[in-house]
Amino acid sequence: EVQLVESGGGLVQPGRSLRLSCAASGFIFDDYAMHWVRQRPGKGLEWVSGITWNSGGIGYADSVKGRFTISRDNARNSLYLQMNSLRPEDTAFYYCAKDSWRDYYFYMDVWGKGTTVTVSS
Amino acid sequence: EIVLTQSPGTLSLSPGERAILSCRASQTVTSSYLAWYQQIPGQAPRLLIYAATNRATGIPDRFSGSGSGTDFTLTISRLEPEDFAVYYCQQYGGSPLTFGQGTKVEIK
Repeated sequence: EVQLVESGGGLVQPGRSLRLSCAASGFIFDDYAMHWVRQRPGKGLEWVSGITWNSGGIGYADSVKGRFTISRDNARNSLYLQMNSLRPEDTAFYYCAKDSWRDYYFYMDVWGKGTTVTVSS
Repeated sequence: EIVLTQSPGTLSLSPGERAILSCRASQTVTSSYLAWYQQIPGQAPRLLIYAATNRATGIPDRFSGSGSGTDFTLTISRLEPEDFAVYYCQQYGGSPLTFGQGTKVEIK
């Protein structure tokens, strides 16, 4: 069964850091690009960051550029999101999602259940 | 950045009725690189349609997508109880990836 399981969310104070992880199983992880997508409370979906299969192509939304870093470990079938200088507006549900392709950012055909990040003092 | 505008914001329909959801892009979406997702409250999004017209694996044929250029449509031919949800379009023809704001299909 194809599965993505996120972890690492929680309550954090503004300005602090948090690292999200996503464990993948049921497919050949290094054959696909991966993404983080977030959903603020009561709002729609927002693409946060993506990474191609070999980490050769990395992109960020303007809202997180310079603060968040995406990475992957193909040997561990894992995706990560290092979030620094967190702001209250980063409060959201964060989803890990598998792309349908390896070299470009296309559409997301598998999603994890997500993890909650709350930034508040 | 390609901005996607979905309409209507909310669609109130009864089971068995047809739902027509619109997604309009601020500029041409290259190669009709547009996807549709369904999100049931409390669940992760699920891919329905990719490349504007192709149903994803396991998606019932009552869901269909159409359109090109800047105007795209998701049609649900006969609403089933499990179809009442929020639907998002997403374009992957330009960078960054962007989503529409969503259309909620609710029971009338």
